[in-house]
This record gives sequence, structure tokens and C-alpha cells, in this order.
Amino acid sequence: GAVVSQHPSRVICKSGTSVKIECRSLDFQATTMFWYRQFPKQSLMLMATSNEGSKATYEQGVEKDKFLINHASLTLSTLTVTSAHPEDSSFYICSARKADREYFLGYTFGSGTRLTVV
Amino acid sequence: GDSVTQMEGPVTLSEEAFLTINCTYTATGYPSLFWYVQYPGEGLQLLLKATKADDKGSNKGFEATYRKETTSFHLEKGSVQVSDSAVYFCALRMGLSGAQKLVFGQGTRLTINP
Repeated sequence: GAVVSQHPSRVICKSGTSVKIECRSLDFQATTMFWYRQFPKQSLMLMATSNEGSKATYEQGVEKDKFLINHASLTLSTLTVTSAHPEDSSFYICSARKADREYFLGYTFGSGTRLTVV
Repeated sequence: GDSVTQMEGPVTLSEEAFLTINCTYTATGYPSLFWYVQYPGEGLQLLLKATKADDKGSNKGFEATYRKETTSFHLEKGSVQVSDSAVYFCALRMGLSGAQKLVFGQGTRLTINP
């Protein structure tokens, strides 16, 4: 089956520092990965779509300079929260789109990262 | 734009009760529809899906039928268990090309008491 590994699962950082979250597809190639943010008791908000080898596409209202996304290989996308502030504290989830050429085979989600900025 | 609306939670039931979580959607075309489940502290897992009208998705005793005439995809289970306690998300995906983003409903928290 398709497995996506997301690390770390929990991270606490000081205000003003940067945090990197990794999302890896373990047994398939993911040309597209998605990054979501989830506030307590709320739905998932799509932040950006990450395409291998190209710039990420950010949703309206998401600061691209604050949430840096890199998708350098077919199995790894990273989200870096730069100069983190307490309001960035949230649950971040990645998702990888499994595709075989033009055929869409489904999405697989990572287990999420709980970020707490103190 | 495309959107998904779920019944508001939280929903609390006793074990072996019948479950329905309502989901309706708004889309300009013919989306694929999904139910995802999120257990505490975890990411989302696909529960079931349907890709065209009148399709029925089913898994682990859960069912949902794609109703084009009512633009609905209600989730049902005949007899819930304590282990079904989780947050359930209805979602749609448009198109066969491009990024094919998922649009999620707000989620419904389900608690099953023994």
C-alpha cells in the first residue's frame, strides 16, 4: 500500500526560530504533495500544492515567504515555518498524490505534525 | 466555488446504535466524493469513496451513496462501535487533470459510548 511518513510528529520551538517538517512517500513516487493546516476542532485548510521540481502553488492568504515549501525529489517535500510565532501553532498535515502517468490512484496522508511555538 | 457541508457535531451515540452523518456538496461539474476518518493525533485515512452518481462506497461497515439529484453523500453505519470514535470528513475532488485538490467539509466529531 501507499505510505506517507511525516516527521516530526511533535515539535516545540521558540518564537522567532524556524522549523522544518518533512513528508516522504515511502513506497511510491509522488509528483504532487499537498500541505494542510488544521486548527483545533476545525477542518483542514489547504495551504499549498507542492510539485516536484517546480515552485509550490500557494492558496490565497498563505504567506509563501513564511511557509517555505521544497519538493526536490519524487519522494520528499518539506515545509519550513520561518520565524515562527505562537499563532503558527497548529497541526500540519501533508498528503501525497499517487499517480501512475495520467491515472489518479488516490491520496495518502501523513500522520501530521503538532507544532507548538512558545 | 466548490464546497462541502457536513452536519454539525459533535455526535454522541451508544454502542450498536445506527449512525448517519449528513454531507452535501456544491460543485459545477461531477466530482468524486470521499469520506475520510481522523483518529486522535493522527492524519487522515480514506474510509470510502464514490466516483460517479449512484455509486456506493463501503468499508468497515460504513456506507455512502453518491446521490446526484440531492447532491449528497451521507455516511451510514448500522451498528457503531467504541472504536469508531473519531472525526469524519466528507470531501470532494474535481476534475481528472491538474492538481486535483480535495475540498473538505468541516468535519464531524463522533463519540461512541460503551
